[in-house]
Amino acid sequence: AQSVTQLGSHVSVSEGALVLLRCNYSSSVPPYLFWYVQYPNQGLQLLLKYTSAATLVKGINGFEAEFKKSETSFHLTKPSAHMSDAAEYFCAVTPNSGGYQKVTFGIGTKLQVIP
Amino acid sequence: GAGVSQSPRYKVAKRGQDVALRCDPISGHVSLFWYQQALGQGPEFLTYFQNEAQLDKSGLPSDRFFAERPEGSVSTLKIQRTQQEDSAVYLCASSLVSGEREQFFGPGTRLTVL
Repeated sequence: AQSVTQLGSHVSVSEGALVLLRCNYSSSVPPYLFWYVQYPNQGLQLLLKYTSAATLVKGINGFEAEFKKSETSFHLTKPSAHMSDAAEYFCAVTPNSGGYQKVTFGIGTKLQVIP
Repeated sequence: GAGVSQSPRYKVAKRGQDVALRCDPISGHVSLFWYQQALGQGPEFLTYFQNEAQLDKSGLPSDRFFAERPEGSVSTLKIQRTQQEDSAVYLCASSLVSGEREQFFGPGTRLTVL
């Protein structure tokens, strides 16, 4: 069984401030972890993924996330928020094992960037 | 190349009507997924195809929901006798090979049942 918990359904930051979106996972086997971004009326776009290589993962648009097994966390960060970062962000988990595996998504965090 | 496309983008149905939602995955992608995203929620898995074979339909909420992918490319999600609780965005995603975890999503179809 696997699940993700995203703390904070809404996060507001000022333009230029640090972005921190929290994700904690639960998985009975080693996980793959993902962050997706969804802009209004669009599908999900992959920001970055952890697949058991480096624990610090860099993604698109200046985002990065660190896999911390001891904390079962995979928080998403960006040093300086831009207005274009306003969107909804989803953390997702799937087992790290061969073949087809279901991906389980969190409920999402809406990021507001204040000018 | 083109991404995943879905049609229609918006669908309004009266309660009790049948609807059909179409997904065109990225050409050559073996795996295809359907998700339901209710307002304020994350995507919830509905069903999975590997080529034309429906290997997992454990997420379909009732027998009113039916999906097919007869030639291993385009897929259709059909909902019979729609109910208000079926109102949601239906997302389709595809991936290149079975076991590839990175999925490419379409823009979704927003279904509103009145």
